[in-house]
Amino acid sequence: EVQLVESGGGLVQPGGSLRLSCAVSGFIVSSNYMSWVRQAPGKGPEWVSLIYPSGKANYADSVKGRFTISTDNSKNTLFLQMDSLRAEDTAVYYCARASLTGMAVFDYWGQGTLVTVSS
Amino acid sequence: DIQMTQSPSTLSASVGDRVTVTCRASQSISSWLAWYQQKPGKAPKLLIYDASILESGVPSRFSGSGSGTEFTLTISSLQPDDFATYYCQEYNTYRSAFGQGTKLEIK
Repeated sequence: EVQLVESGGGLVQPGGSLRLSCAVSGFIVSSNYMSWVRQAPGKGPEWVSLIYPSGKANYADSVKGRFTISTDNSKNTLFLQMDSLRAEDTAVYYCARASLTGMAVFDYWGQGTLVTVSS
Repeated sequence: DIQMTQSPSTLSASVGDRVTVTCRASQSISSWLAWYQQKPGKAPKLLIYDASILESGVPSRFSGSGSGTEFTLTISSLQPDDFATYYCQEYNTYRSAFGQGTKLEIK
């Protein structure tokens, strides 16, 4: 059975940092295109970052230079390091696997972890 | 960046109704479009990809059509479990964009 379980969210002050984790079972993280997608309250989802099986990474302009996506193959886990956080980063953050049909069609999602940036 | 616009924002319907949701892209995306269903407190669920291909396990009452800039999601006969919010997503490049959502409510 495929499972993605996020953790690491919480309340952080503007300018602070958080590291989100996504523990995966049922498939190998490093063999798949994996993304972080966030959803602010009452809004549609927003793609944040993508990591390729090769290790190459892409970022939305809104987070480029502040967020870093990575994987730990030994733990089969995806990470998102978030630095210089802003109020507009407040959202539920989901990890998602891209389906075999395309690097940006998401067939498996985690349950989400809430990040709140506020003083 | 490509912008995705859904209409309507809210749709009131009854069990058994046929409903259609429209999604427009700000530029042509060929057939690189997916539809998701989301229920409160849950992650989105993939329904349709490549504009018209049903994801495995999704009931056949869901269908998608369109290409270029205009797309539709149709539910042929609404069931109680279908009342949720629906999002379209373009994936013309890795910088995918989602629509703002259509909330399907019980009339």
